[in-house]
Amino acid sequence: DTEVTQTPKHLVMGMTNKKSLKCEQHMGHRAMYWYKQKAKKPPELMFVYSYEKLSINESVPSRFSPECPNSSLLNLHLHALQPEDSALYLCASSHREEGTEAFFGQGTRLTVV
Amino acid sequence: DAKTTQPPSMDCAEGRAANLPCNHSTISGNEYVYWYRQIHSQGPQYIIHGLKNNETNEMASLIITEDRKSSTLILPHATLRDTAVYYCIVKSRQAAGNKLTFGGGTRVLVKP
Repeated sequence: DTEVTQTPKHLVMGMTNKKSLKCEQHMGHRAMYWYKQKAKKPPELMFVYSYEKLSINESVPSRFSPECPNSSLLNLHLHALQPEDSALYLCASSHREEGTEAFFGQGTRLTVV
Repeated sequence: DAKTTQPPSMDCAEGRAANLPCNHSTISGNEYVYWYRQIHSQGPQYIIHGLKNNETNEMASLIITEDRKSSTLILPHATLRDTAVYYCIVKSRQAAGNKLTFGGGTRVLVKP
């Protein structure tokens, strides 16, 4: 199984809503990532988890709250988002060792109205 | 991580080899060259990576110059399904694993 599964595939939420994005992998990877991708732009790193602990936060606003409840799951909790937060949110996972590849999910396309 | 420079777009003919260049003149000795591609509306897909030697797998070949300042990704027989944005990424060893910094990439259009 070399898949990273993200749910939901599409999400529309209002600016006062609270929602969560979910990501799951069963490859035994101990590093997991959230990326944000705006239209026609490259993906931008948001967070990195290593051994279920947050190791990198790329100065992401607090309305995005990541969580890694176990080695297979990664969540991104959303609250009070703005329309400009509408984007494709990508989850990825990898082994921690250098010289290994990251596997990406298909993303959640988020629209904030 | 070293920055990369790629042409913004290129066309290639179906069935022909596609050669995608990448310049990474500030690469350091412990940095890998990775290639990913992203087909429209999908997540990025790993293609290949290398450190010093040329590499080949079932998808592509990676040619790294001797001074490591540039590399070329070769898709040996391009198909219409290879139409995608191709990202060349130089990545140093990170304690937290595979932190990838994506540049602008090359938008490749394979034409019949």
